[in-house]
Amino acid sequence: DGGITQSPKYLFRKEGQNVTLSCEQNLNHDAMYWYRQDPGQGLRLIYYSQIVNDFQKGDIAEGYSVSREKKESFPLTVTSAQKNPTAFYLCASREGETQYFGPGTRLLVL
Amino acid sequence: GQQVMQIPQYQHVQEGEDFTTYCNSSTTLSNIQWYKQRPGGHPVFLIQLVKSGEVKKQKRLTFQFGEAKKNSSLHITATQTTDVGTYFCAGKEVENAGGTSYGKLTFGQGTILTVHP
Repeated sequence: DGGITQSPKYLFRKEGQNVTLSCEQNLNHDAMYWYRQDPGQGLRLIYYSQIVNDFQKGDIAEGYSVSREKKESFPLTVTSAQKNPTAFYLCASREGETQYFGPGTRLLVL
Repeated sequence: GQQVMQIPQYQHVQEGEDFTTYCNSSTTLSNIQWYKQRPGGHPVFLIQLVKSGEVKKQKRLTFQFGEAKKNSSLHITATQTTDVGTYFCAGKEVENAGGTSYGKLTFGQGTILTVHP
């Protein structure tokens, strides 16, 4: 069954802690994206990757880091430098012009 | 940078009424896409418009792309409770010569549609 998976569904972070959100796809897509969604603000691009071992900053990259060591995987680390990390995080991959989204991870700060 | 504005932010309708959401870009777009996100879910691709003045229909949904390729609209006829959710437009900017396509989209803020039975 092909698709994009994200884990965990909910994640709690303590102050000063780094956390990593997982994103895996078996669609054989080269391009992958991370978005942040806040109420009333739509989706904002954090990072994107066109190909393995390459990634680019999006519009709100500060406080985040990514890696792309495998085509299937594009994990996002929310670092302690991100002062307002509470949000819904969506991963997507692209085929042609269409982006396919994973189910998302909701991150909450304790 | 490119900005995509979407209005209204919220829309409440009675079942059977029509609904329209509008999207405006600060720059000319290569294409525009529309996504739907059900409550608690993730965005799902609905359609892509590419040509100036293009109109596409999907059952009760009508999508339009403006002549200048800077605005778009989604119209739903006779809404149903299954139409509830947030509708996003997402624009891809026209690239300069020699640019590399990254498929980067700029999303509007979305319109949250509530349908009362």
